[in-house]
Amino acid sequence: QVQLVQSGADVKKPGASVRVSCEASGYTFTGFYIHWVRQAPGQGLEWMGWISPHTGATNYAQRFKGRVTMTSDTSITTAYLDLSSLTYADTAVYYCARLLPLYGMDVWGQGTTVTVSS
Amino acid sequence: QSVLTQPPSASGTPGQRVTISCSGSNSNIGHNNVNWYQQFPGMAPKLLIYGNNQRPSGVPDRFSGSKSGTSASLAISGPQSEDEADYYCESWDDTLNGRVFGGGTKLTVL
Repeated sequence: QVQLVQSGADVKKPGASVRVSCEASGYTFTGFYIHWVRQAPGQGLEWMGWISPHTGATNYAQRFKGRVTMTSDTSITTAYLDLSSLTYADTAVYYCARLLPLYGMDVWGQGTTVTVSS
Repeated sequence: QSVLTQPPSASGTPGQRVTISCSGSNSNIGHNNVNWYQQFPGMAPKLLIYGNNQRPSGVPDRFSGSKSGTSASLAISGPQSEDEADYYCESWDDTLNGRVFGGGTKLTVL
């Protein structure tokens, strides 16, 4: 079946970087954009950006530019989110989701909890 | 502050029709489709409505979406106890060149 499986929870110190992976299966990986969305504890959803696995093109939310890098490896149908210079405010659950224009984000990963703690 | 504005909470009984609003602007809802997501505690969001008013396969028909101008609405006709969740609207924003979410609405079924 169509699914996105994310890497496990991670704990990082302030100033460090984190990588979250998102492995796709059950569909043509290059046919859908992968979006990254995060949710801080008790807060709403926040869009971070997208990557086109087909072209490698990316689009990042302004507030993350300079700190975020989204990549993908089509050989293993996996997308990656790298976030650097972590602060306590980056503690959140990070989700990947596939999106087909006009159809919304129809498949989501299970989420990866990233905790920033000294 | 979220770009799209939703009420923080909504409630209703199984015999009522509950509506959740989502207010935006011409740079987002006014010119782009709106999607709605349902999220239970500790779970990933689930697509509930896409393209303003389309239900993915498997979504009960008591859920419906609409859009008018720069606002959108999610209606739940006869909410069930299992519908207690957080609901988020989402759209594309031409000015921000990115996707934007509402702040979310917590539905309570009385």
